[in-house]
Amino acid sequence: GESVGLHLPTLSVQEGDNSIINCAYSNSASDYFIWYKQESGKGPQFIIDIRSNMDKRQGQRVTVLLNKTVKHLSLQIAATQPGDSAVYFCAVVAGGTSYGKLTFGQGTILTVHP
Amino acid sequence: ETGVTQSPTHLIKTRGQQVTLRCSSQSGHNTVSWYQQALGQGPQFIFQYYREEENGRGNFPPRFSGLQFPNYSSELNVNALELDDSALYLCASSLDGRARDTQYFGPGTRLTVL
Repeated sequence: GESVGLHLPTLSVQEGDNSIINCAYSNSASDYFIWYKQESGKGPQFIIDIRSNMDKRQGQRVTVLLNKTVKHLSLQIAATQPGDSAVYFCAVVAGGTSYGKLTFGQGTILTVHP
Repeated sequence: ETGVTQSPTHLIKTRGQQVTLRCSSQSGHNTVSWYQQALGQGPQFIFQYYREEENGRGNFPPRFSGLQFPNYSSELNVNALELDDSALYLCASSLDGRARDTQYFGPGTRLTVL
């Protein structure tokens, strides 16, 4: 079955630095990828998504990179702020599924120091 | 805020009891997915409801069941509660049941089984 993992369980950065959070997935048939942010006591919040026909997508201060060759996904956060401190999850949807079953990784804890 | 609401916020039950959790989807969305998030883990897909029908199911036993109502709100029912059912239960709504529709999460219900 699908498994999604993260290389680093924790990431600590200084305010203003750029952050990079990584994610590996196992199913080469995965074709939709999403990053969520989860703050303590809240549900996951959608950040950005990317489809398998793209290798890069940019949002406001965030960029997602997809490398299908090595089955790797990353989230880059520019000029990280204390409000970015949270747990970040990648999630994937396997190709061929007719419904939105998200398979989540374990999460990376991002801590931003002022 | 996503507009997805869940009730109750917290719940304490004992082993063997039954529980019902509720979710109201975002306005205009006809699809609700339920996830279980154990402490320190990513969410695990339980099932999805689309236009009042179960649209897909994860690896959860039959004692996990659900309903979706004509207004697209949803219930998750868990019978014969076990200690391992203690978790944060999340619902997510999406627009129209498609695999790549963005899923917007509610704040979750924290269930503790004693």
